[in-house]
Amino acid sequence: DAKTTQPNSMESNEEEPVHLPCNHSTISGTDYIHWYRQLPSQGPEYVIHGLTSNVNNRMASLAIAEDRKSSTLILHRATLRDAAVYYCILFTNAGKSTFGDGTTLTVKP
Amino acid sequence: DTEVTQTPKHLVMGMTNKKSLKCEQHMGHRAMYWYKQKAKKPPELMFVYSYEKLSINESVPSRFSPECPNSSLLNLHLHALQPEDSALYLCASSQESGGNTGELFFGEGSRLTVL
Repeated sequence: DAKTTQPNSMESNEEEPVHLPCNHSTISGTDYIHWYRQLPSQGPEYVIHGLTSNVNNRMASLAIAEDRKSSTLILHRATLRDAAVYYCILFTNAGKSTFGDGTTLTVKP
Repeated sequence: DTEVTQTPKHLVMGMTNKKSLKCEQHMGHRAMYWYKQKAKKPPELMFVYSYEKLSINESVPSRFSPECPNSSLLNLHLHALQPEDSALYLCASSQESGGNTGELFFGEGSRLTVL
């Protein structure tokens, strides 16, 4: 099974951009890259997903390397409400998902 | 309605008990999932149902028995569990089961304690 590797923790200042990296060197050609975040005592919340091209939505941007072996979730202006555990996940076409260990993002006021 | 509702929120059971966890969604989604999450760990996939049929079983012990009675409901039947099965059990749903299906909607989970 393909795996993802994420830094254990990252810090950011409020209203500054945050770049959360993820390595997935064993990704297969049809695996989608998903990002979710999770607050304590809540279920994960969808952030963004993509296959090959960079993606933007109202929450974030996803930059995918040309060889697809890594990706970066970009929060353009971090707020205190963005403090959470961020998971990088590989999703197969069959619906199988493999979560990374997650990055705990701390946002300082 | 973009909610996935899980009941009960908390469950305490003995190793000889039989209990069930329930998950419900009314978004017309055809894929539903069970995940297990231990403290300070990522969720781990257990089962995937696609169009009410079990499509993925991640080698889960038979003491966990999933059931999908209709497209809106997903149950997880629990029997003869062990203390190490204590965890947060998360249910999710999506339009379809593939990676390009977009967003998975997660419930808040059922926290299970096995004594």
